[in-house]
Amino acid sequence: EPEVTQTPSHQVTQMGQEVILRCVPISNHLYFYWYRQILGQKVEFLVSFYNNEISEKSEIFDDQFSVERPDGSNFTLKIRSTKLEDSAMYFCASSEENEQFFGPGTRLTVL
Amino acid sequence: GDSVTQMEGPVTLSEEAFLTINCTYTATGYPSLFWYVQYPGEGLQLLLKATKADDKGSNKGFEATYRKETTSFHLEKGSVQVSDSAVYFCAPRRTGSARQLTFGSGTQLTVLP
Repeated sequence: EPEVTQTPSHQVTQMGQEVILRCVPISNHLYFYWYRQILGQKVEFLVSFYNNEISEKSEIFDDQFSVERPDGSNFTLKIRSTKLEDSAMYFCASSEENEQFFGPGTRLTVL
Repeated sequence: GDSVTQMEGPVTLSEEAFLTINCTYTATGYPSLFWYVQYPGEGLQLLLKATKADDKGSNKGFEATYRKETTSFHLEKGSVQVSDSAVYFCAPRRTGSARQLTFGSGTQLTVLP
């Protein structure tokens, strides 16, 4: 069964450093998303991506964040200069139309 | 904006007990409604969905009915198992071009043998 994959599973970085989180969505899906979950809190929407551009973004998704689909398979989230409060689990999701399928997540720890 | 109010946890039940997790939402229009489950150490898995009023979603013995008049989508299971121990999230999804899910706070369920 096709699934969304994410790498790395855990990323540790120093405050101020750039990180890139990678996702491989399900191959025939057209819509891509990033969500995050700070430990013990709810899952929050960051950004959605369709037709090679951002279709919606939340207030969390400020200028420090960017997304890219560099080739036909990968979908990346870049955080330009990480802050302590960026520590969270980041989930990638993709959908064809209705159902969103989630990857296993990348745990980002900012020290 | 869209919001979800989900029953506070944690919920602890004995095996074979009846489960209800309440969920109400506010949203523009008529969203599709989803329940996701997160098992310990894993990502989010779709449990069930309903896309229009009075639809009943079901999977693995869990059920939820889309109630437009009360804007609710309560999750139920007649007889829980230890393996159902997880965090459950209610999530409406907007209609139209904005397709993101709005997640509830999650309800931790622990089922004891």
